[in-house]
Amino acid sequence: DADVTQTPRNRITKTGKRIMLECSQTKGHDRMYWYRQDPGLGLRLIYYSFDVKDINKGEISDGYSVSRQAQAKFSLSLESAIPNQTALYFCATSDARGTNEKLFFGSGTQLSVL
Amino acid sequence: AQTVTQSQPEMSVQEAETVTLSCTYDTSESNYYLFWYKQPPSRQMILVIRQEAYKQQNATENRFSVNFQKAAKSFSLKISDSQLGDTAMYFCAFMNVQGAQKLVFGQGTRLTINP
Repeated sequence: DADVTQTPRNRITKTGKRIMLECSQTKGHDRMYWYRQDPGLGLRLIYYSFDVKDINKGEISDGYSVSRQAQAKFSLSLESAIPNQTALYFCATSDARGTNEKLFFGSGTQLSVL
Repeated sequence: AQTVTQSQPEMSVQEAETVTLSCTYDTSESNYYLFWYKQPPSRQMILVIRQEAYKQQNATENRFSVNFQKAAKSFSLKISDSQLGDTAMYFCAFMNVQGAQKLVFGQGTRLTINP
């Protein structure tokens, strides 16, 4: 089983719909992140969380919200989806306790907003 | 704020050739990490190589090596003896040591290895 699991893998929705993307991890990491990937722009940070009670906005948080339901779960919501939110979304985790800082990524959710 | 720039949107080489992907970054910090990630068609993000800014020695991982020029704020990736499986999107990324440990990515370079 994957250490960082994202569901769904693909999603097509209509403008104005509420969408939730889910992420769960079995790595025991305290830090979790949501990124979106757009062609020609790379990956950009939407939100990040360092523990259950800590939520921080990233570079492009407008139109998104998140919930850290538990250490292992971090969901991303689009309250009213719009076409320019069509993108590939990645969840990632990291463990700040070690010295080998790196992020572990899920397999991504491809979201299309029509 | 830190920025990362990859000026080569696409590259293409023949199998077994050596290829170098460019990356420049901008920061006022003195200690940080730099990464190269590979994204094959499966879209999984795979860490290729990692460099710590306070280490002068360039990182290497098998056929992958970097040329880290701290003063020039340059971090290029060299792939030797390229293989068909190296075909992927490659992202350069920056992370501060202090403060929130967030990755800042470049725009990506799509690399195609031709048989």
